[in-house]
Formats: sequence, structure tokens, C-alpha cells
Amino acid sequence: DTGVSQDPRHKITKRGQNVTFRCDPISEHNRLYWYRQTLGQGPEFLTYFQNEAQLEKSRLLSDRFSAERPKGSFSTLEIQRTEQGDSAMYLCASRLTGSSGNTIYFGEGSWLTVV
Amino acid sequence: QQQVKQSPQSLIVQKGGISIINCAYENTAFDYFPWYQQFPGKGPALLIAIRPDVSEKKEGRFTISFNKSAKQFSLHIMDSQPGDSATYFCAASKPGNQFYFGTGTSLTVIP
Repeated sequence: DTGVSQDPRHKITKRGQNVTFRCDPISEHNRLYWYRQTLGQGPEFLTYFQNEAQLEKSRLLSDRFSAERPKGSFSTLEIQRTEQGDSAMYLCASRLTGSSGNTIYFGEGSWLTVV
Repeated sequence: QQQVKQSPQSLIVQKGGISIINCAYENTAFDYFPWYQQFPGKGPALLIAIRPDVSEKKEGRFTISFNKSAKQFSLHIMDSQPGDSATYFCAASKPGNQFYFGTGTSLTVIP
């Protein structure tokens, strides 16, 4: 499977715990995005990377959220001191800049439930 | 604020009918308008996309109509099938920038 891979697919955690999600983009894709999606809503932008550089962060990304892409390949999204409002699906997407079209390709998402 | 407004929120169509979903945007810097299809528990998958230099793009049963002056675009699904039942999202992006998504349309195609 050469698509965007996310892990874990599902995570249930207690309020106040830290969680980390991993995303492996499509090979050679230099841009990587994180989105959050709640039921009945469209994906909301969180942040994106160009190689290892984090170029933009949404106001949705509070100081409890941190994302990294240390070697310009896989990325991690960590949520510290989780709150019930963090319950959502966290989507990772990637694309290759300079290629024809602007298409971004999504992974299957990581579902987070905070109890 | 919502950068891309999508309607309707839900749509029920008979098998063989035409499904039409509409989106509107304000930012004239947007230059790429994709539609994504999402099944329950899955990530969104690209369906079809258009740039503002064309007014229509067709791929199989799926057509995007684009009205640059009105800043609107729509997805038409011809000969709708039960397998098309999913949530559809329109989106828009500026060059090299993030994607802004609509709130989604839940389509149900009745056999």
C-alpha cells in the first residue's frame, strides 16, 4: 500500500492524558498536512509542513498541540492534557509540490475519543 | 469564518437521478477547486477537480460546473447509484496553500 498511512486508527484516552498520532505520507511527497474532522463537519486545517519545516499553523492548534516532521518524511501530532473537545478524527494528507494539479491525498484518519 | 459554503446539507435522490451539490466561495485568490468523497470511517478521497480557467469538467458520471463571475461551483452526479451514497465535500485552495473545505453534503441514493 503506497497511500498515506496513519497510526493508530483508533485511540481512546482519559482526559488529561497525552496522545500521539503518526503519519507516513506518500513516498517523495514533500508537503504534509494535518486536519481535524468532527462528525458532520468538513476537515479543518491544523498545520502543514514543507519537508521538515512547519510553514503554517491554524489558530485551532492550541499550545497543547505540537506537530513535528523531523526528517521530512513521517510526521507526528501530539496532544497534551487531552480534553473532551479534542475528540475528533485527525486526518493526515500529503502532496508533491510542483506536480500537475494541487491534489492532496488523505489517509484513513486517526479517531480520538477522550473520556 | 467559513471560506467555502456548501449546500444542501443532505440530499436524497432516486437511483438513476441527478444529484447536484453547490458550493460558493469569496476569496478570488483560490485557483483550485476539488471535490472529495468520503465513506463512513474513511478518509476523504479525491473525486474530481477544476481550475477557474474552465467552466466545466466531466469525468464519467461526475461533472463540475464552475461559474467564476458568481464565485460558485457545483458537482453533478448523473445516473446516481446506491454506491454513490456518501458524504461529499467541496474545497478550495490558493497556490501552495492549505485547502478549505465545505461542511459536507450527505447523499443517499435510494434503489
